[in-house]
Amino acid sequence: NAGVTQTPKFQVLKTGQSMTLQCAQDMNHNSMYWYRQDPGMGLRLIYYSASEGTTDKGEVPNGYNVSRLNKREFSLRLESAAPSQTSVYFCASFRGQGASYNEQFFGPGTRLTVL
Amino acid sequence: GNSVTQMEGPVTLSEEAFLTINCTYTATGYPSLFWYVQYPGEGLQLLLKATKADDKGSNKGFEATYRKETTSFHLEKGSVQVSDSAVYFCALSEGSASKIIFGSGTRLSIRP
Repeated sequence: NAGVTQTPKFQVLKTGQSMTLQCAQDMNHNSMYWYRQDPGMGLRLIYYSASEGTTDKGEVPNGYNVSRLNKREFSLRLESAAPSQTSVYFCASFRGQGASYNEQFFGPGTRLTVL
Repeated sequence: GNSVTQMEGPVTLSEEAFLTINCTYTATGYPSLFWYVQYPGEGLQLLLKATKADDKGSNKGFEATYRKETTSFHLEKGSVQVSDSAVYFCALSEGSASKIIFGSGTRLSIRP
């Protein structure tokens, strides 16, 4: 049981390049999330998917797109990377409505640098 | 809107010292409250939680009590260890954990 996995762990891009961050969970959770973590700002929600087939914007969605490929996988795409997107990106999952406890489980993160 | 405010760091203590990290919240309803911990190079892990007023969450020697009257959820530990060095995040969610709001994090460093 790997929990939440993310690839890659590190990535360096040049301004204008595109890339996709991958996330998968093996806990049969319904909901999945993408956050970015910047110094002194905690975690900010980029996009989330409450259930398979649905996605919604979070606090800071501009410059990003997401795909909920199936129940296990939730990817984050940067179409044209900008230096302001330099950050650490975390994926998380949650069992969903009706769960007996309300905890999100986090992946190990992807450290992205945009030059 | 809902928000979480926690004390700014970094906090540096000597081993076996008493720890308090303050956290206050603003919410329209009756949120659940959490403390998450992030060890160097890792993702966040749930440390403890409380789902209603006067509940006390505890784990690994850490404790926090849900105080509705002061809208607070301060994290405490009686005797810290070097292995407690990490970043601690206070957080809240309303209804379910479908959306969690995090504080800015407090970096804790423990000197041997």
